[in-house]
Amino acid sequence: KQEVTQIPAALSVPEGENLVLNCSFTDSAIYNLQWFRQDPGKGLTSLLLIQSSQREQTSGRLNASLDKSSGRSTLYIAASQPGDSATYLCAVTDFSSGSARQLTFGSGTQLTVLP
Amino acid sequence: DGGITQSPKYLFRKEGQNVTLSCEQNLNHDAMYWYRQDPGQGLRLIYYSQIVNDFQKGDIAEGYSVSREKKESFPLTVTSAQKNPTAFYLCASSLWDLRRPQHFGDGTRLSIL
Repeated sequence: KQEVTQIPAALSVPEGENLVLNCSFTDSAIYNLQWFRQDPGKGLTSLLLIQSSQREQTSGRLNASLDKSSGRSTLYIAASQPGDSATYLCAVTDFSSGSARQLTFGSGTQLTVLP
Repeated sequence: DGGITQSPKYLFRKEGQNVTLSCEQNLNHDAMYWYRQDPGQGLRLIYYSQIVNDFQKGDIAEGYSVSREKKESFPLTVTSAQKNPTAFYLCASSLWDLRRPQHFGDGTRLSIL
């Protein structure tokens, strides 16, 4: 059964710093990997989706990479801002459940960017 | 604006009571999903539906029921058989295309009185 791990569980950085969030998964037979942002008491906002055939995706100050063979993904945030403070979740789509559309989520990294 | 609407935002359940959470989408998405989120944990799939009048159990379906009578709507009933229902419930939808992301509503927080 697929397991997704995110370390650290919480991270505080000063404004302006570049930072990396980590995600690892146990079964490399994935179809894609998504990074989401969740603000307190809110739903999830999709940030980036990387297909298994891709190595990275970029959107503005965000860059997500995928190394399927090692079961790892990173989310790089450049020039962090207080507005980036949120919980960041990664999720993989795989076939382990028999449903090609099931997402398996990590428990998230809570990011605080200090002004 | 297209999106997913969940209601109510907060819901309280008495012992032995069934409650229904609403999820409506106007994105013309084929697939809809219900997830449960507990504090400090990731989301776990309760039920999903690919098309109208069809739905499948996820990892934690016991104590829950769903229906999909319309493409736009996917209500979730938390039955009295669910012994630990206090959680944050999230509804999502997507095209049935693995290249496209799932879109989420703002959630319903369910608590026990």
